[in-house]
Amino acid sequence: DAGVIQSPRHEVTEMGQEVTLRCKPISGHNSLFWYRQTMMRGLELLIYFNNNVPIDDSGMPEDRFSAKMPNASFSTLKIQPSEPRDSAVYFCASTPPRAGGGDTQYFGPGTRLTVL
Amino acid sequence: AQSVAQPEDQVNVAEGNPLTVKCTYSVSGNPYLFWYVQYPNRGLQFLLKYITGDNLVKGSYGFEAEFNKSQTSFHLKKPSALVSDSALYFCAVREYSGGYQKVTFGIGTKLQVIP
Repeated sequence: DAGVIQSPRHEVTEMGQEVTLRCKPISGHNSLFWYRQTMMRGLELLIYFNNNVPIDDSGMPEDRFSAKMPNASFSTLKIQPSEPRDSAVYFCASTPPRAGGGDTQYFGPGTRLTVL
Repeated sequence: AQSVAQPEDQVNVAEGNPLTVKCTYSVSGNPYLFWYVQYPNRGLQFLLKYITGDNLVKGSYGFEAEFNKSQTSFHLKKPSALVSDSALYFCAVREYSGGYQKVTFGIGTKLQVIP
């Protein structure tokens, strides 16, 4: 299995631009998580999907952030408009159904976002 | 609300010596506890987990962790550290509520193994 796939790996943009991060979870996994990692705040859970439905978006910083999961094999995290303080590494993770060992999260390689 | 504390920002240990990375947790129900490792410019990788059963859990790369309910701790240990163990280590706790899961990660502890 290719693991969790994220694209792009690096993104540099200017303040005010729209940014879209993409994630492909492992086939058969039914939960998907978006995290943000910064030196100051560590690893923060932004949103969590179960069977393509957003379950907990309490970590989404503000209305500039939105996430979708149109099907079981694809999710996006969008920032519009982007700001310099959004600069971070964004990780996507997925887990299989609980009966299949759903406790372990499998992380993608991350997208390093820099907003100038 | 559940929480995880990793009291040390960094742990330094000489190669060949035993290492311990500390973690304490707070959760209302039964804890599901995890350790993950992050190497530079990589995503987190699963090391080990405690769900139930034996309090001493063995995981990847020779790591183990001891669940202590009375002290609400889940410290990560290894008998003999390797330079290649140098990385960022995260403790995490998961709770299931209403059929859905809530996961919380600690702030992370940087482990530096000195040759």
